[in-house]
Amino acid sequence: SQTIHQWPATLVQPVGSPLSLECTVEGTSNPNLYWYRQAAGRGLQLLFYSVGIGQISSEVPQNLSASRPQDRQFILSSKKLLLSDSGFYLCAWSVIGGETQYFGPGTRLLVL
Amino acid sequence: AQSVTQLGSHVSVSEGALVLLRCNYSSSVPPYLFWYVQYPNQGLQLLLKYTTGATLVKGINGFEAEFKKSETSFHLTKPSAHMSDAAEYFCAVSDQRPLVFGKGTRLSVIA
Repeated sequence: SQTIHQWPATLVQPVGSPLSLECTVEGTSNPNLYWYRQAAGRGLQLLFYSVGIGQISSEVPQNLSASRPQDRQFILSSKKLLLSDSGFYLCAWSVIGGETQYFGPGTRLLVL
Repeated sequence: AQSVTQLGSHVSVSEGALVLLRCNYSSSVPPYLFWYVQYPNQGLQLLLKYTTGATLVKGINGFEAEFKKSETSFHLTKPSAHMSDAAEYFCAVSDQRPLVFGKGTRLSVIA
């Protein structure tokens, strides 16, 4: 069966510091991968999605970036965090051509 | 462009009462529709989905939803609420693009 992991589970970072959040999927090959941010009362905002290694689509221009160095690894990064980057970050995967997305447990980020 | 509107950011029901969470969508092509549930500090869990075929879809935990094309709706129902149903519920639509989510409805269940 497929599983999706995210780490860390929680993170407290100062403004201006870098960020790296990692997501990995097990039990499937060539998944589509997604990063979402959830801010209080604002639902889920799609940040990035990837259909293959090195292929990243950005949905919202901002100070975040994403990379996919391996087939089942998706990384969310920032060079300098802003207060507004605080939130709950969710990674998800789907099979190629499939619409159903399966979510990881999330990372709670607090920028102070 | 596809979009989702969830009516009511917060719904309260008594234990044992009917649960009705409303979702309307817009899509230029026949959509795929989803309901997800999120418990505090957890990821989203798929409740049910509509792709094609039968318009009444049954999901986990006793929930079901009906796709009504004429009303562009996909409302989520459960005949009898349990305390364990308290969570946030998200409706989502896909028309060959990544899912677009509604803003969510927080369900509270009162004993």
